[in-house]
Amino acid sequence: DAMVIQNPRYQVTQFGKPVTLSCSQTLNHNVMYWYQQKSSQAPKLLFHYYDKDFNNEADTPDNFQSRRPNTSFCFLDIRSPGLGDAAMYLCATSSFGRESSYNEQFFGPGTRLTVL
Amino acid sequence: KNQVEQSPQSLIILEGKNCTLQCNYTVSPFSNLRWYKQDTGRGPVSLTIMTFSENTKSNGRYTATLDADTKQSSLHITASQLSDSASYICVVTTDSWGKLQFGAGTQVVVTP
Repeated sequence: DAMVIQNPRYQVTQFGKPVTLSCSQTLNHNVMYWYQQKSSQAPKLLFHYYDKDFNNEADTPDNFQSRRPNTSFCFLDIRSPGLGDAAMYLCATSSFGRESSYNEQFFGPGTRLTVL
Repeated sequence: KNQVEQSPQSLIILEGKNCTLQCNYTVSPFSNLRWYKQDTGRGPVSLTIMTFSENTKSNGRYTATLDADTKQSSLHITASQLSDSASYICVVTTDSWGKLQFGAGTQVVVTP
């Protein structure tokens, strides 16, 4: 089945130790998103890629970076995780401009990040 | 101020009963409105999606309504099941490329 896959599902890192979260998709969607979701809060968009074009949200800290080496994969790099970065990180994809006029976003299961 | 407001914040219902969740939005321009179901520790899963010209849409026991004039939407859950326990999130799309404005969600707990 076509889907959005996130690895790992649970990630533990130490304060200040760089960490990378990965997302892959078999939907061949041209847009990929990264969201941060803290407990009992709505997901907050960090950035998105439209094809290879990177679009950063104005309030996304510099500590968060992203890479999209090809259509299928997208990575979230946290350069120096702080305690406040502990959260669920959600990857999503959509097919803007293609067969769907709704641009529906399909979410992965998320990666739960713990910072010790 | 959040442009998508949901109510109630949480509710508890007995298995088999119906319930209705509310969503009011001020997002403009409006592209479409979606309801997502998010189980604890999982990513959101789309239930329904509606454009401004659609008044109602169903997905099994879930029925969403939209009044684009009053900028209100509701999600009705019929004959609730234990598996309906989750957070239900109202999301409004404003930009053509699909940026989402999220509500804070309604936490639904279905008890036996």
